[in-house]
Amino acid sequence: GNSVTQMEGPVTLSEEAFLTINCTYTATGYPSLFWYVQYPGEGLQLLLKATKADDKGSNKGFEATYRKETTSFHLEKGSVQVSDSAVYFCALRLEYGNKLVFGAGTILRVKS
Amino acid sequence: DTGVSQNPRHKITKRGQNVTFRCDPISEHNRLYWYRQTLGQGPEFLTYFQNEAQLEKSRLLSDRFSAERPKGSFSTLEIQRTEQGDSAMYLCASSLNAGGWDTQYFGPGTRLTVL
Repeated sequence: GNSVTQMEGPVTLSEEAFLTINCTYTATGYPSLFWYVQYPGEGLQLLLKATKADDKGSNKGFEATYRKETTSFHLEKGSVQVSDSAVYFCALRLEYGNKLVFGAGTILRVKS
Repeated sequence: DTGVSQNPRHKITKRGQNVTFRCDPISEHNRLYWYRQTLGQGPEFLTYFQNEAQLEKSRLLSDRFSAERPKGSFSTLEIQRTEQGDSAMYLCASSLNAGGWDTQYFGPGTRLTVL
């Protein structure tokens, strides 16, 4: 079936460190891919998206590239801040669907 | 744009009781989604509406669950005869589908605890 697998957390980094959160997916066709972020006490917010192979989504210094050959959409940021501490969810939407299929989420903790 | 709102934010109930949650989407959004999120997991799709029509329901949505969107604006999710396994965060999202693909905007959720 359709699924998303994320690296397990928590991921703990020092401020200004490089961040990678791995995400791989299983899906038929050509899904759209998303990263959502959930800050403490808040709802899910769309961070970035990519709708076709080789697209790069970017926002707030975060980037992710849609790699069809490796079925991956890894999230990266060159220099994390304490304010980036949150739970990050990778998700897909099927080519002809509407619902989102989420991974389990990865907790990121950034220390000053 | 006030965002998606959900009420109540927290609900504690006893097993066997009925509960109802409300979701108010972003105005003019024609699609509304319900998801359920348990601790340590990502949200799981339950159902979605386009205007007042319920177009898809997950197998997760047992007969005890019912959702409505009577006038194509707010929506309610009712759980009858609650069970302890229903304890979760219930999330609502809305989007504007205008022929292309759309972004889902999420509300803060209603946390249900069944004792």
